[in-house]
Amino acid sequence: EPEVTQTPSHQVTQMGQEVILRCVPISNHLYFYWYRQILGQKVEFLVSFYNNEISEKSEIFDDQFSVERPDGSNFTLKIRSTKLEDSAMYFCASNRQGDTGELFFGEGSRLTVL
Amino acid sequence: DQQVKQNSPSLSVQEGRISILNCDYTNSMFDYFLWYKKYPAEGPTFLISISSIKDKNEDGRFTVFLNKSAKHLSLHIVPSQPGDSAVYFCAASAGGGADGLTFGKGTHLIIQP
Repeated sequence: EPEVTQTPSHQVTQMGQEVILRCVPISNHLYFYWYRQILGQKVEFLVSFYNNEISEKSEIFDDQFSVERPDGSNFTLKIRSTKLEDSAMYFCASNRQGDTGELFFGEGSRLTVL
Repeated sequence: DQQVKQNSPSLSVQEGRISILNCDYTNSMFDYFLWYKKYPAEGPTFLISISSIKDKNEDGRFTVFLNKSAKHLSLHIVPSQPGDSAVYFCAASAGGGADGLTFGKGTHLIIQP
């Protein structure tokens, strides 16, 4: 069964460092998303991406964040200068149509900022 | 501002019985609701959804009920099985799209043998 894959599974970084989280969405999906879950809190929407551009972003997704689809398969989330409060599990998700919420999530990348 | 609320952080149910997970929402613009299940160290997995034009949707052991006037939905699992032990997230969206799904905090369902 096709799945969304994410790397790395866990990254530890120093505050102020740049981090890139990578995702390979399901191959025939057209809509891509990043969500995050801070430990003990709810899953929060960050950004959605379609047709090589951001279609929607939340207040969390400030200038420190960026997304890119550098080739036909990868979808990346970059955090330019990490802060302690960026420590969270980051989930990539994709779906084929975009008009239903049936997202397929990856297993997540745990980011720990020290 | 919690637009989607799951007031029970955990729920314990005996195997074979019915599990009922509840979710309330405040945003009247929400028109599409979903339930996701999450095991530890895995991403959320889609379970079942319901559009605001319906009040019930059933898929096997899972049924979602929507009460628009009360801004309340519930997920029923019958019969509950040990593999159902997981965290269940309620999510909602406005405009029927997947952009900006708003999640609740989740309910940890524990199925006891």
